[in-house]
Amino acid sequence: AQSVTQLDSHVSVSEGTPVLLRCNYSSSYSPSLFWYVQHPNKGLQLLLKYTSAATLVKGINGFEAEFKKSETSFHLTKPSAHMSDAAEYFCVVSDPAAGNKLTFGGGTRVLVKP
Amino acid sequence: GAVVSQHPSWVICKSGTSVKIECRSLDFQATTMFWYRQFPKQSLMLMATSNEGSKATYEQGVEKDKFLINHASLTLSTLTVTSAHPEDSSFYICSARGPDSLYNEQFFGPGTRLTVL
Repeated sequence: AQSVTQLDSHVSVSEGTPVLLRCNYSSSYSPSLFWYVQHPNKGLQLLLKYTSAATLVKGINGFEAEFKKSETSFHLTKPSAHMSDAAEYFCVVSDPAAGNKLTFGGGTRVLVKP
Repeated sequence: GAVVSQHPSWVICKSGTSVKIECRSLDFQATTMFWYRQFPKQSLMLMATSNEGSKATYEQGVEKDKFLINHASLTLSTLTVTSAHPEDSSFYICSARGPDSLYNEQFFGPGTRLTVL
């Protein structure tokens, strides 16, 4: 069975400082991995995805994530946080062995302080 | 990019009534649609998967007679919450996937907030 663990339920950063959101996954095969962002009362927006190509994935709004198979991690980073980055972030795994269903992590709420 | 809409965006209903939520893929054919449920400050939980023209597959613990899913066309799926009760109050999100989504990408709708009084 596949699973996703987001290690921090809340992250607080100051505007202009780096953001790190940690994600570890468990999968029986080579998974596809995604990061989504959700603003309050809104749907999900795809930030980036890993699909067995380059291990360093660049996404929208300055976000990037690195796939590390040896550590089963897919951490999300951004060099400089902006106020508009305040939102909920979800790490998601899709496993072909699980019928390509998406499994969501518990989410990390990001607070950006001025 | 692919756009998925949901209607209504929010609905309030009385306990015991039924509510229908629509999910539409606006610019692509969705062979598979998914319905998720999200409680406040929690993650998304998959409720069911529906393929066009066939019965939906429900996740364990989801009552198929309570949450009726219809995927009658390649652009529309509906979720009907029958005999709704306050514990059904939640944020319902659909997603859609086309036949040529090589990387299994699901495109998400904006969600529908259901409040049952």
